[in-house]
Amino acid sequence: EAGVTQFPSHSVIEKGQTVTLRCDPISGHDNLYWYRRVMGKEIKFLLHFVKESKQDESGMPNNRFLAERTGGTYSTLKVQPAELEDSGVYFCASSRTEYSGANVLTFGAGSRLTVL
Amino acid sequence: QQQVKQSPQSLIVQKGGISIINCAYENTAFDYFPWYQQFPGKGPALLIAIRPDVSEKKEGRFTISFNKSAKQFSLHIMDSQPGDSATYFCAALDTNAGKSTFGDGTTLTVKP
Repeated sequence: EAGVTQFPSHSVIEKGQTVTLRCDPISGHDNLYWYRRVMGKEIKFLLHFVKESKQDESGMPNNRFLAERTGGTYSTLKVQPAELEDSGVYFCASSRTEYSGANVLTFGAGSRLTVL
Repeated sequence: QQQVKQSPQSLIVQKGGISIINCAYENTAFDYFPWYQQFPGKGPALLIAIRPDVSEKKEGRFTISFNKSAKQFSLHIMDSQPGDSATYFCAALDTNAGKSTFGDGTTLTVKP
């Protein structure tokens, strides 16, 4: 089974530019999550898709961040315009929907974003 | 306000020793507590998890101890090995809400 794939692995952009991160979840995983880790702090929740619908986007920092999930498959996270504080590692994770609710997350390797 | 507090930030242990990482939570709605292990260049991977209806769960050298009344849980790594050197994250999940809340992570170094 292929894992969660994220692209790019590292992106360096200047303040004010736009960056789009992509995540390909494990096939058949309805749940897709975006998380961010900034400067050695906690892995912080951004949003949760169930298939193509946004289930919870309470963690999105502001309207400079836009996430989409086309046809319930891959997802993109766009930051426009990027600010210095957006630097960090963006993780995507996917899971099946478990009856127990204890959805086990499978993470991608992350996309490191550096905003100069 | 951080909902899951993890300590220590870093830990150095000799090979064969016991590594202990502690976490505390506030939200009593949390009902599933996984630990993730992350190696450099990789994403976090599920290591072991526990539900609050048990006080301990053991898988090989890894044990979770859970204290529901204190709202604390910990990861114990027995006979620590250099290959255990990684960053460990505790997490807490409200299975009704569906999202996991993570601690800050602990960087473990096991010296040969």
